[in-house]
Amino acid sequence: EAGVAQSPRYKIIEKRQSVAFWCNPISGHATLYWYQQILGQGPKLLIQFQNNGVVDDSQLPKDRFSAERLKGVDSTLKIQPAKLEDSAVYLCASSLVPGVHEQYFGPGTRLTVT
Amino acid sequence: AQKVTQAQTEISVVEKEDVTLDCVYETRDTTYYLFWYKQPPSGELVFLIRRNSFDEQNEISGRYSWNFQKSTSSFNFTITASQVVDSAVYFCALKFSTGKLIFGQGTTLQVKP
Repeated sequence: EAGVAQSPRYKIIEKRQSVAFWCNPISGHATLYWYQQILGQGPKLLIQFQNNGVVDDSQLPKDRFSAERLKGVDSTLKIQPAKLEDSAVYLCASSLVPGVHEQYFGPGTRLTVT
Repeated sequence: AQKVTQAQTEISVVEKEDVTLDCVYETRDTTYYLFWYKQPPSGELVFLIRRNSFDEQNEISGRYSWNFQKSTSSFNFTITASQVVDSAVYFCALKFSTGKLIFGQGTTLQVKP
């Protein structure tokens, strides 16, 4: 069974530029999550989708971050414009039933903002 | 407050030593799940174990064992006879009915040969 796929794996941009990350969850997983992991910290949930609807985006900085999951499968997370403090690893995860099953994580995208 | 605390930032042991990673959580929910994840240098989070709030049985899986105690809100993880390949960052996490995971700060384990 294929795992959660993410691309790109690494990205370096200058502050005020835009960037987008892509995630393809495990087939059949209706729930998709985006996490931000700053160096030395645990992952923090940015947004949770159930199919193509948003369940929780309470910690998403909506003035600069946006995410979509138009067809209920792939998802894109965008930052526009980026700030230095956005440097982090962005992890995508998916699960079968959100309240019960474990989340499976992708390899992450390491973003460096200079 | 909903919170997970991993007080040990870094632990260093010599191969074959046993090591315990501590996790203390806070929640007002009566139904919740606790998890441990491993994050090797490659960066991917690897699921190790899930435990629901109604199941306080300890669990053993090979060299890994987990001790869940609701009375002290703790879910500790022990590696017996540690190996160099166990070197990683380990995260304890608390999950609510919506699926949202709250992670601790992580414990970096270094196992020296």
